[in-house]
Amino acid sequence: DAKTTQPPSMDCAEGRAANLPCNHSTISGNEYVYWYRQIHSQGPQYIIHGLKNNETNEMASLIITEDRKSSTLILPHATLRDTAVYYCIVRAPRGSARQLTFGSGTQLTVLP
Amino acid sequence: DVKVTQSSRYLVKRTGEKVFLECVQDMDHENMFWYRQDPGLGLRLIYFSYDVKMKEKGDIPEGYSVSREKKERFSLILESASTNQTSMYLCASSAGTGYSNQPQHFGDGTRLSIL
Repeated sequence: DAKTTQPPSMDCAEGRAANLPCNHSTISGNEYVYWYRQIHSQGPQYIIHGLKNNETNEMASLIITEDRKSSTLILPHATLRDTAVYYCIVRAPRGSARQLTFGSGTQLTVLP
Repeated sequence: DVKVTQSSRYLVKRTGEKVFLECVQDMDHENMFWYRQDPGLGLRLIYFSYDVKMKEKGDIPEGYSVSREKKERFSLILESASTNQTSMYLCASSAGTGYSNQPQHFGDGTRLSIL
């Protein structure tokens, strides 16, 4: 799986968009970008994933650059409950029953 | 929405006890996983199962066993609990067989303390 780099922490004002960047410059053609988050003392929560097209669901949008070397997770209207550690993971579908590995992630703090 | 339910959020057991952690998913997923998460060590895979009655060891299976008698249920068993098994235990499930891009979905975790 390609290595990812994320800023260790970010702040965002409540109600504003939170834009979380992720660099994955060594990504391969068949590797997907996944985003998870983990709120303190809870299990990780899947947010969104994509290959090369931008994706949107009820939680967030995922913007992947054309060269696929970086991506941005957008929470359009952040709330206090979005305060969590956000993890960007790159992995290929080499068999679904395979360990998931989180890096150090970005601690997002949503401020009132 | 995918729902992965773990039987307990918090559990306290004594050294030497046999401990059962239960996990149920409601999305007919083929794959199920048991991880433990410890500060500074990240997620570590204990066991996974890709079908009923099938299981594979992960990175740290010692001291644990699993059971998957039905597709929706995956149980983790601590045969004789020890203090170094105090941890957050996470169950996950995912769809698909073979090559799949489907994500893993996690339960809320069980924080297990062994005294």
